[in-house]
Amino acid sequence: AQSVTQPDIHITVSEGASLELRCNYSYGATPYLFWYVQSPGQGLQLLLKYFSGDTLVQGIKGFEAEFKRSQSSFNLRKPSVHWSDAAEYFCAVALYGGATNKLIFGTGTLLAVQP
Amino acid sequence: GAGVSQSPSNKVTEKGKDVELRCDPISGHTALYWYRQSLGQGLEFLIYFQGNSAPDKSGLPSDRFSAERTGGSVSTLTIQRTQQEDSAVYLCASSLMRGNTEAFFGQGTRLTVV
Repeated sequence: AQSVTQPDIHITVSEGASLELRCNYSYGATPYLFWYVQSPGQGLQLLLKYFSGDTLVQGIKGFEAEFKRSQSSFNLRKPSVHWSDAAEYFCAVALYGGATNKLIFGTGTLLAVQP
Repeated sequence: GAGVSQSPSNKVTEKGKDVELRCDPISGHTALYWYRQSLGQGLEFLIYFQGNSAPDKSGLPSDRFSAERTGGSVSTLTIQRTQQEDSAVYLCASSLMRGNTEAFFGQGTRLTVV
């Protein structure tokens, strides 16, 4: 069955440090891939997406992600974390086939930022 | 409206009662999703509507859950005979069409069953 795995439930980094959040998917074909962020009390906001082409995609707020087909991964990165980046991050895979479309989410990674 | 609107924002109900949750998608968006987010859990897919196609109901957890979408716009998620395990945030999202398009999320309805 198709699935999305975010192996890190909770991550703490210091402000200014680099960040990498892991995401692995299980899907038979090349999926559409997304990263969303959910700040406390806020709705989900799209950070970036990958559909095709360049495997390194740039998003908002200084985030980027790299699609690696050989590893079935789509890890999210940021070179220097800001305190305002503290939030929960969700990786998602879009499954498209026939009349059924689904956007499947991972369980999320909660990011804490230390001063 | 400018975004996906969900109502009510909060709902407290007694166990065994029925509840209806409403979602107003972005105008012109043909795809509409319902998800459930429980404490410490990810987003659990519930149901998907796309235009006039039959909805994908594969994520509905039991026959107490149902959803409809009238006129290809507003959607209502109904939970009958609510149970305490139904307590969660119910999120609605819409997108322009199937394919490589972004899903926009509402703020959710926080349901508490007491």
